[in-house]
Amino acid sequence: DVKVTQSSRYLVKRTGEKVFLECVQDMDHENMFWYRQDPGLGLRLIYFSYDVKMKEKGDIPEGYSVSREKKERFSLILESASTNQTSMYLCASSPRTASYNEQFFGPGTRLTVL
Amino acid sequence: SQQGEEDPQALSIQEGENATMNCSYKTSINNLQWYRQNSGRGLVHLILIRSNEREKHSGRLRVTLDTSKKSSSLLITASRAADTASYFCATGRGAQKLVFGQGTRLTINP
Repeated sequence: DVKVTQSSRYLVKRTGEKVFLECVQDMDHENMFWYRQDPGLGLRLIYFSYDVKMKEKGDIPEGYSVSREKKERFSLILESASTNQTSMYLCASSPRTASYNEQFFGPGTRLTVL
Repeated sequence: SQQGEEDPQALSIQEGENATMNCSYKTSINNLQWYRQNSGRGLVHLILIRSNEREKHSGRLRVTLDTSKKSSSLLITASRAADTASYFCATGRGAQKLVFGQGTRLTINP
């Protein structure tokens, strides 16, 4: 079974703090994704990585950065957390093949910024 | 930008009834996927239908795809309380990325 794990289920941080969200997958997938999910807005792609040290901006990268030093791990960094970054953060992975594949999701991290 | 749009946004039915959710999209696709999300959890892949397929079944799930209308439907037959969840359609965009709709929240009443 593919397993995608996220470092925390719930996280509370203060405005201005640097926040790290970690995601690890155990299926040797090339692709990894970070989404945020907000009521009424669905899932929005923050960043995408298709290989180690490779990254691509998604739809809402402002205020975020990412790191992929190892194939299995993809980190999302909030450089200076703000209250509008309070959200559910979902990590996903998928293999890289010729066509679009199902993505495997972690359980999510519900982040609250006070 | 959101490609998939689900309809209805919320659906409440009695256990044992069938539930139908619809998804419309804007650009051409090579496949369309449906996912389920239980409250406060990650998404789970349910089914994938390719653009050259019109209908696909998986257990109590039936998915149809009409590429001429750019729409898909997900039918859950003989619903159970455990089917209570949000359901999302997703279409491919660019290299390996998916675009998710806003979801349909399905409630199954006992």
